[in-house]
Amino acid sequence: EDQVTQSPEALRLQEGESSSLNCSYTVSGLRGLFWYRQDPGKGPEFLFTLYSAGEEKEKERLKATLTKKESFLHITAPKPEDSATYLCAAGGSSNTGKLIFGQGTTLQVKP
Amino acid sequence: SAVISQKPSRDICQRGTSLTIQCQVDSQVTMMFWYRQQPGQSLTLIATANQGSEATYESGFVIDKFPISRPNLTFSTLTVSNMSPEDSSIYLCSVGESNQPQHFGDGTRLSIL
Repeated sequence: EDQVTQSPEALRLQEGESSSLNCSYTVSGLRGLFWYRQDPGKGPEFLFTLYSAGEEKEKERLKATLTKKESFLHITAPKPEDSATYLCAAGGSSNTGKLIFGQGTTLQVKP
Repeated sequence: SAVISQKPSRDICQRGTSLTIQCQVDSQVTMMFWYRQQPGQSLTLIATANQGSEATYESGFVIDKFPISRPNLTFSTLTVSNMSPEDSSIYLCSVGESNQPQHFGDGTRLSIL
């Protein structure tokens, strides 16, 4: 059965303290690994798509990487406004467009 | 990316009643999806709404409980029927094509008394 697991569930950082979020997946025929940010009271906001192992994408303080078994979201020198829940999702081999979401990592960055 | 609007943004309903949630997109899209997000949890796919055909439901979700309409390429509705407190949740609409990122509305926050 296709599955996506994120760790840790929650992460507290001091402003400027870099760290990484993990997303492990077991999906046959991965057709894309997606990262989202979700703020309280809002829907998920798309951040990155990764399609093949070795691929990297960057946006401001965030960098996403992909291997054959997991993806990382690296946060460099975070700021309080980076506080949010980060979700990863995997697209499987079917052509249905379905995504399987992980449980999310709630990040809190303290000033 | 597409702009997705959901109505209502929140509601409080009595048990046993039904509520219809609307999802409007500002451009024509092939695939629309309905998710449920229970408090503190991640997103669970309820169904894929296909224009011109029946919705495709995921395991654990049935049409009698969650009827879906998709009358055109920019609009869909999800009805939560015969509601109970266990249906209290956030319901999210998204759009996206195969292998492409999905984009989400801000959701409908539903509480059942």
